[in-house]
Amino acid sequence: DVVMTQSPLSLSVSLGQPASISCRSSESLVYTDGTTFLNWFHQRPGQSPRRLIYRVSTRDSGVPDRFSGSGSGTEFTLKISRVEAEDVGIFYCMQGTHWPPITFGQGTRLEIE
Amino acid sequence: EVHLVESGGGLVQPGGSLKLSCAASGFPFSEFWMSWVRQAPGKGLEWVSNINGDGSTKYYVDSVKGRFSISRDNSKNLLFLEMTRLRADDTAVYFCAGTVITDNYWGRGTLVTVSS
Repeated sequence: DVVMTQSPLSLSVSLGQPASISCRSSESLVYTDGTTFLNWFHQRPGQSPRRLIYRVSTRDSGVPDRFSGSGSGTEFTLKISRVEAEDVGIFYCMQGTHWPPITFGQGTRLEIE
Repeated sequence: EVHLVESGGGLVQPGGSLKLSCAASGFPFSEFWMSWVRQAPGKGLEWVSNINGDGSTKYYVDSVKGRFSISRDNSKNLLFLEMTRLRADDTAVYFCAGTVITDNYWGRGTLVTVSS
């Protein structure tokens, strides 16, 4: 199974400041057709997860452009250019290249300083 | 507007069974891969199972193989998860989720508690 490792596991950021979350996979997430199936999700307290980004860097509909995804192979990053209060919660990376099973990272908890 | 509404959770004894349902609306259900993802109390997300659009292909995480069964009824826009031989470590909120490349929808989840 592909192991997804996120860092840091918690993050405290001031409003308006940038934030960055790293996700590393135990093997390359490049599929045989060249696509990389790496997604990012956000789960606000008490809510269900919401996908923010798919295929490394494509934002889902309605996701603010202050969220951006990058990376390749085994190293990926989610960046928030300016943290807002609504960003509080837990961020998860997820791989859909080598499945089953689909695997998630442990999650990174974001709080406001 | 898209809705995914899970039901069927509750308290069950170890070794017992439960059948979860997920009612979908607002999107072309039969075109979507559907998944069950669970979250144990205070823990992260764990993918459990998924099924393709016509129900012909199903996958499971190893820990539930032989105990859980996923199915769907496209005529009624319903997704199911039949859970047998439940264990304490199956205790979690179970979310249903629907996916195509450009869209990903989640329900609010239903809590399953396995305890004597």
